[in-house]
Amino acid sequence: GAVVSQHPSRVICKSGTSVKIECRSLDFQATTMFWYRQFPKQSLMLMATSNEGSKATYEQGVEKDKFLINHASLTLSTLTVTSAHPEDSSFYICSARDALRTTYNEQFFGPGTRLTVL
Amino acid sequence: QQQVKQSPQSLIVQKGGISIINCAYENTAFDYFPWYQQFPGKGPALLIAIRPDVSEKKEGRFTISFNKSAKQFSLHIMDSQPGDSATYFCAATLYNQGGKLIFGQGTELSVKP
Repeated sequence: GAVVSQHPSRVICKSGTSVKIECRSLDFQATTMFWYRQFPKQSLMLMATSNEGSKATYEQGVEKDKFLINHASLTLSTLTVTSAHPEDSSFYICSARDALRTTYNEQFFGPGTRLTVL
Repeated sequence: QQQVKQSPQSLIVQKGGISIINCAYENTAFDYFPWYQQFPGKGPALLIAIRPDVSEKKEGRFTISFNKSAKQFSLHIMDSQPGDSATYFCAATLYNQGGKLIFGQGTELSVKP
């Protein structure tokens, strides 16, 4: 149980285009989903937290107009990188938490999406 | 206050040896301390976790030691195997902040055969 999937696993796009990444909780309802970015040899950096049905909360320094997050259902959250540029190239990872099932803050991570902007 | 400091940055251990990774934190309100294992190109996977009311937790070859007074916790990997070669992240979280994880910097472990 507690499986999180991401699609696509890898995407290459041209500079200026938009890319959408999906994050799904397959066997539980994700009341909260998190989006992280990870550069090579570095730790995970939290970008935003989204709760189902409400607006995402972005971390300081993350442009909310560039990284659009939608959490329209309890099993799906999407991250759209708008007008992507080469500096947006990174490994994007989502995680999900079921606050109804656990009293702890356990998060289940997706396999990640490698974004390359040419 | 919100930082979690992890060391060492990299670690090389012989097969069968003990791998030890250390983390320290400042915020005494943290209430959950998980360790994650990440292989290249993959998402992190929860390895083991501990709450501050427990001093030690063991699951198979993996043990967390927790020192509340020193605000430190560590991961011990007994009988390290080449398959354990990965990057390990410690983390801490506050329940009343919606489960937001604060990650350490990561430790790249290499277990030599």
